[in-house]
Amino acid sequence: GAVVSQHPSRVICKSGTSVKIECRSLDFQATTMFWYRQFPKQSLMLMATSNEGSKATYEQGVEKDKFLINHASLTLSTLTVTSAHPEDSSFYICSARGLAGGPGEQFFGPGTRLTVL
Amino acid sequence: DAKTTQPPSMDCAEGRAANLPCNHSTISGNEYVYWYRQIHSQGPQYIIHGLKNNETNEMASLIITEDRKSSTLILPHATLRDTAVYYCIVIGGATNKLIFGTGTLLAVQP
Repeated sequence: GAVVSQHPSRVICKSGTSVKIECRSLDFQATTMFWYRQFPKQSLMLMATSNEGSKATYEQGVEKDKFLINHASLTLSTLTVTSAHPEDSSFYICSARGLAGGPGEQFFGPGTRLTVL
Repeated sequence: DAKTTQPPSMDCAEGRAANLPCNHSTISGNEYVYWYRQIHSQGPQYIIHGLKNNETNEMASLIITEDRKSSTLILPHATLRDTAVYYCIVIGGATNKLIFGTGTLLAVQP
């Protein structure tokens, strides 16, 4: 199957700093990428949807100025958590969808665990 | 909001079949049923999907009722590595985003 990578896999930062997470589709072109957040013992929560070359569409309640998403190419999307605070500590997961496949066929990255001190 | 209802947890003995139910009584005619699973601290993994007919692949079988209001994911010979949270998701038509509900935590016991 298609492979999606995320970098870094784990990051610890100080409160007030910004953190960038990369999501790459390694062997296919991702026309759409998605970013999810997952708190301990909870389900995944969709944060935003991004199409290559377009502005991301954020889900209700997600601050677009805090979670900056860039989808500059068909294989790379980045999520930047700006001025991170301890409540932003979470497991961030990206997924990618190509041109082929059904509407729900998404390939997920392994996730990035963010800890804000 | 998720359009599906699943039991919060299930147990299964290793080597036996695991049957995971899902209710999706409000599914529309052009919406698919997708199953994903998430092993602890990993990204979700696609398992199988279907529209009307039953489907089978190397991982599992999907049985969809004739009225399409419910489905069952079958893992024919569960192993300890199948312990995970299994998500049943309805998507298609006007909905093009995977919205995860609470899923079913399947614990495969030795």
